Amino acid sequence: DAKTTQPPSMDCAEGRAANLPCNHSTISGNEYVYWYRQIHSQGPQYIIHGLKNNETNEMASLIITEDRKSSTLILPHATLRDTAVYYCIVRVRTGTASKLTFGTGTRLQVTL
Amino acid sequence: NAGVMQNPRHLVRRRGQEARLRCSPMKGHSHVYWYRQLPEEGLKFMVYLQKENIIDESGMPKERFSAEFPKEGPSILRIQQVVRGDSAAYFCASSPLGDRNNSPLHFGNGTRLTVT
Repeated sequence: DAKTTQPPSMDCAEGRAANLPCNHSTISGNEYVYWYRQIHSQGPQYIIHGLKNNETNEMASLIITEDRKSSTLILPHATLRDTAVYYCIVRVRTGTASKLTFGTGTRLQVTL
Repeated sequence: NAGVMQNPRHLVRRRGQEARLRCSPMKGHSHVYWYRQLPEEGLKFMVYLQKENIIDESGMPKERFSAEFPKEGPSILRIQQVVRGDSAAYFCASSPLGDRNNSPLHFGNGTRLTVT
C-alpha cells in the first residue's frame, strides 16, 4: 500500500489559507490522492481527489507535485467550522476492490 | 438527495447480546463499505459489499462479525455475542460504481455501539 505522511497537527487563523501537506513518495502511476475530513465524531466528509493535475472545487484546492510524491490541500479562507482531522489517502487498487485506508491525519485547529 | 443513512445512531448492548447495524446507501449507489473507529483512533476498513456479494472482507474479524447487502433493503453489519472491545463507532460508506472509476466514497454519520 502506498503510505502517506502528514503532520499530526496544525493551527490556522480564521480567514487565512490553510495549507495541509501530505507526502506519498511510494505512490503508483494509477493511484489517486483523496482528501477527507472528520469533524468531531461525525462521519468522514469527502473533500477532493486527483491523479496528477491540480484540482479545485467549492471546498478546496488540491495541488499535486509533478513527480506526484507529495500534495497540498488548500482551504482558501479557513473558518472555525473547518476545525477537523484531515486525512490524505492514496487509493490502492487491489484486485477487484479498492478501499480507502485511513491514517492518523492532521488535526487542524482554526483559531480567532 | 438523502445521504448515507445509518441507524440506530446509538446502540447499547450488554455483553453476550447481538448488535445489528443498518446502512441505507445513497440513492443509485450499489457498493457499500463498513469501517470501525475505536475511541481516539483512526478508521479501520472492515468489509466491502456489492448487492448480494461480499467483495473484500479482509478487515472483518474472523468470528462473531458478519455483513450482508441483500438485493432489497439496507446493508446489515451483525455482531454476535458482543464484548466490551466491540464498543466503537461503526461507519458505512457508499459509492455508485465501486472500484471502476475512482468514485468517492460518501459516509454516513455512524452508529455508536456501547457494550456494557
